[in-house]
Amino acid sequence: EVQLVQSGAEVKKPGESLRISCKSSGYRFTNYWIGWVRQMPGKGLDWLGIIYPGDSDTRYSRSFRGQVTISADSSITTAYLQWSSLQASDSAMYYCARAPSGTSVPYYFDRWGQGTLVTVS
Amino acid sequence: DIVMTQSPDSLAVSLGERATINCKSSQSLLYSSNYLAWYQQKPGQPPKLLIYWASTRGSGVPDRFSGSGSGTDFTLTISSLQAEDVAVYYCQQYYNTPDTFGQGTKVEIK
Repeated sequence: EVQLVQSGAEVKKPGESLRISCKSSGYRFTNYWIGWVRQMPGKGLDWLGIIYPGDSDTRYSRSFRGQVTISADSSITTAYLQWSSLQASDSAMYYCARAPSGTSVPYYFDRWGQGTLVTVS
Repeated sequence: DIVMTQSPDSLAVSLGERATINCKSSQSLLYSSNYLAWYQQKPGQPPKLLIYWASTRGSGVPDRFSGSGSGTDFTLTISSLQAEDVAVYYCQQYYNTPDTFGQGTKVEIK
């Protein structure tokens, strides 16, 4: 069974760093993209970026490039979303999601993690 | 970036009636196929894939959900609304990175 299991909720202060994780199982980790999606309270879905663990090809939304870092460790089938200095405006639910791969491009998100709530206050 | 605009923002439909949600993209999503997906998000849950390639139902998705359209104009139809279909629905384009989502359409029971 395909599963994406995210790390637990975090409460941080402004200026602190944070890394949240997304552990994948039930499929070949290096053959799919893993993306990250933000959902602020009561709002819609924002696409942050995506990584292909097979070759570490990483793409970011212009709005989030430089604000977050996406990485993956294929040896433990885990993807990460990282901040070096959190702001209150980073408070949101963050989802990881798996995307099948086309020719060097990600497709739709076919499986989602349960979400990690980040609170910065 | 490609802008995705959904309409309406919300709609209320009687049980058993049809619900229709529209999604318009700022540029064509058609290459060999239409690079358009639909998701359903129920309160307190992550989104769930309903439709991809504009009209292909995801695994286990009931056949009352259907997707249509091509190019820049797309539609998600729920043929006979059930109580468990109360949710927010999002379209997403994956034609270009960054992928972009519509703002969401909230479906309620009238």
